[in-house]
Amino acid sequence: GAVVSQHPSWVICKSGTSVKIECRSLDFQATTMFWYRQFPKQSLMLMATSNEGSKATYEQGVEKDKFLINHASLTLSTLTVTSAHPEDSSFYICSARSGTGVNQPQHFGDGTRLSIL
Amino acid sequence: AQSVAQPEDQVNVAEGNPLTVKCTYSVSGNPYLFWYVQYPNRGLQFLLKYITGDNLVKGSYGFEAEFNKSQTSFHLKKPSALVSDSALYFCAVRALTGGGNKLTFGTGTQLKVEL
Repeated sequence: GAVVSQHPSWVICKSGTSVKIECRSLDFQATTMFWYRQFPKQSLMLMATSNEGSKATYEQGVEKDKFLINHASLTLSTLTVTSAHPEDSSFYICSARSGTGVNQPQHFGDGTRLSIL
Repeated sequence: AQSVAQPEDQVNVAEGNPLTVKCTYSVSGNPYLFWYVQYPNRGLQFLLKYITGDNLVKGSYGFEAEFNKSQTSFHLKKPSALVSDSALYFCAVRALTGGGNKLTFGTGTQLKVEL
């Protein structure tokens, strides 16, 4: 089946540092990748959608300068949380989809637990 | 705008009994419906989808879901629950029109299967 690898799975860092999270589709080409944020006991909140080679489309209320998304290839997207602060602590999940057809399900990475001290 | 409702925060079932996790949706246009399962500190795993065709959809791990257009529902079911089915379940809808071809998730239902 389709596998999405997300790295790192857990990161703890000091306030003010930048953190990069990688999302790779291992056995398929991901024309579209999605980044979600999930708070404890809550649903997934879509942050942005990125298509390979294009700028990401951010959801309303998501700071594009804070959460930098790069989708440079059909198998890799990165999310960089810049100048992270404790309120950025959360569970971040990436998802990838091949094509835009409705028959194409989204496949999810295992998430990254980000803790900012 | 599209939306998904999962009315139950938690469902408790005894092992071996049938289980149902409820989901209703609202979209303009044809709905494309999905169920995902999430284990602690993990991403979401795809269980099944309804695109078109038979209203009863069979998926992974013995799960199935029934699409009911008149009731705008897509309840997840399993004839005999296992303790290992205990997890967080998300229903999602995707619509090509009005939804930007993006998934909208429900708030999730915690399933607890006990011996």
